[in-house]
Amino acid sequence: NAGVTQTPKFRILKIGQSMTLQCTQDMNHNYMYWYRQDPGMGLKLIYYSVGAGITDKGEVPNGYNVSRSTTEDFPLRLELAAPSQTSVYFCASSYLARGQGTEPSYEQYFGPGTRLTVT
Amino acid sequence: KNQVEQSPQSLIILEGKNCTLQCNYTVSPFSNLRWYKQDTGRGPVSLTIMTFSENTKSNGRYTATLDADTKQSSLHITASQLSDSASYICVVDSGYSTLTFGKGTMLLVSP
Repeated sequence: NAGVTQTPKFRILKIGQSMTLQCTQDMNHNYMYWYRQDPGMGLKLIYYSVGAGITDKGEVPNGYNVSRSTTEDFPLRLELAAPSQTSVYFCASSYLARGQGTEPSYEQYFGPGTRLTVT
Repeated sequence: KNQVEQSPQSLIILEGKNCTLQCNYTVSPFSNLRWYKQDTGRGPVSLTIMTFSENTKSNGRYTATLDADTKQSSLHITASQLSDSASYICVVDSGYSTLTFGKGTMLLVSP
C-alpha cells in the first residue's frame, strides 16, 4: 500500500492563477480530508468528504473547492490564488468517521504534503 | 472557543534522556485525544488515541496520559533517540466535524 499520496510536492503560483492539488489513497477509506498548516500554527480543516459524491466545508473553506468522484481521489482546487493561501497542504483519509470509535482503522492517515507559495 | 495549548513550544534534550510534553485543552464535547508525530517535511503520524475512560496508553517508548477532569494530557518519551526529533502535536476530537489541533512542541534530540 502506498497510503495517501499527494502531488505536486512543491508549487509556486502567481496571484490570480489557479491549480489543483491531487490526493489519492489506496486503503479504501471512505473519509477524506484536506488541511492547511501555516507556520507555527495548528492544522486547519478546509474540506472533507464522507464518500464519493459527498463533500462538506471545514473550518477554512473560502477560496477552495473540492470534488469526490471516486473513493480513491479527493482533489483540492484553488481558484484565483492569493498570498494568504501560501501554506503546506495535507490530505488525510480514515476508514471510520471521527467520533465513532477508537479502533486502529479510525485513525487519520496523512499524505506527505504539498508546499504552496503564492507570490 | 475550542483550544488546544501545548507546552513547551520547543525543547532540546540529550540523546538517551527522558522528556514530557504537555497539552491542555478546552474542547467540548470531548470524544478522544490524539498525539501525532510530525517529522520535518512530512505529514503527521498517529502515536496514540485515548478516549475519556483511558488514563494512559503506550506505544513503544511513547506513553500518553489523560486527565479528562482537568483537561490535561502529557506525552512522555523514554530513552530518547535522534529519530525522535520532530514536532509532537496534540489533537482533540469533539466527535463533530472539526478536530482541534495544537501548534505542536518541537523536540530536538542532540547527540
